[in-house]
Amino acid sequence: EPEVTQTPSHQVTQMGQEVILRCVPISNHLYFYWYRQILGQKVEFLVSFYNNEISEKSEIFDDQFSVERPDGSNFTLKIRSTKLEDSAMYFCASSATGGYTNYGYTFGSGTRLTVV
Amino acid sequence: EDKVVQSPLSLVVHEGDTVTLNCSYEVTNFRSLLWYKQEKKAPTFLFMLTSSGIEKKSGRLSSILDKKELFSILNITATQTGDSAIYLCAVGAGETSGSRLTFGEGTQLTVNP
Repeated sequence: EPEVTQTPSHQVTQMGQEVILRCVPISNHLYFYWYRQILGQKVEFLVSFYNNEISEKSEIFDDQFSVERPDGSNFTLKIRSTKLEDSAMYFCASSATGGYTNYGYTFGSGTRLTVV
Repeated sequence: EDKVVQSPLSLVVHEGDTVTLNCSYEVTNFRSLLWYKQEKKAPTFLFMLTSSGIEKKSGRLSSILDKKELFSILNITATQTGDSAIYLCAVGAGETSGSRLTFGEGTQLTVNP
């Protein structure tokens, strides 16, 4: 069964450092997303990406965040200057049709980011 | 602001019991409601519902959507210890394709032997 792959599975970084979280979506999918889940809290939407541009972003996705699809297979989330409150599990997801099939969105296994 | 509320937040049952998990929502431009199972890490897809009154079924799990009353239920019959997980309800809404999912808090289900 096709999977969304995320690397690394766990990253520890110092406050103020830049991090790049990487994702390889399912190959024929067109819509890509980043979500995050702070420990003990809800899964929260960050950004959606379609046709090589951001289609929607949440209030959380401020200027310190950016996304890129550099080479047609990878999808990255960059956090420019990490803060303690950025510590969370970050999930990448992809869908073929924006979620309007019986398969919904497929999530990756997540990157646990710890900012110290 | 879109809102998804799940109940109960936590449930402990014995193997063999039947459980019903609830999800209510208030969103603008509803498109779909999805149920996910989250064990250790990634949410894994269970069902997507777009039409009222049509039950979706997969083994011991089933789900139905009521778009008039704005809620969905997820039923699990003959529960097993492997059903222990957090069950997440999420609603897709918005004017464009590929719009965000809004998640509920989840229901933590524990099935004891």
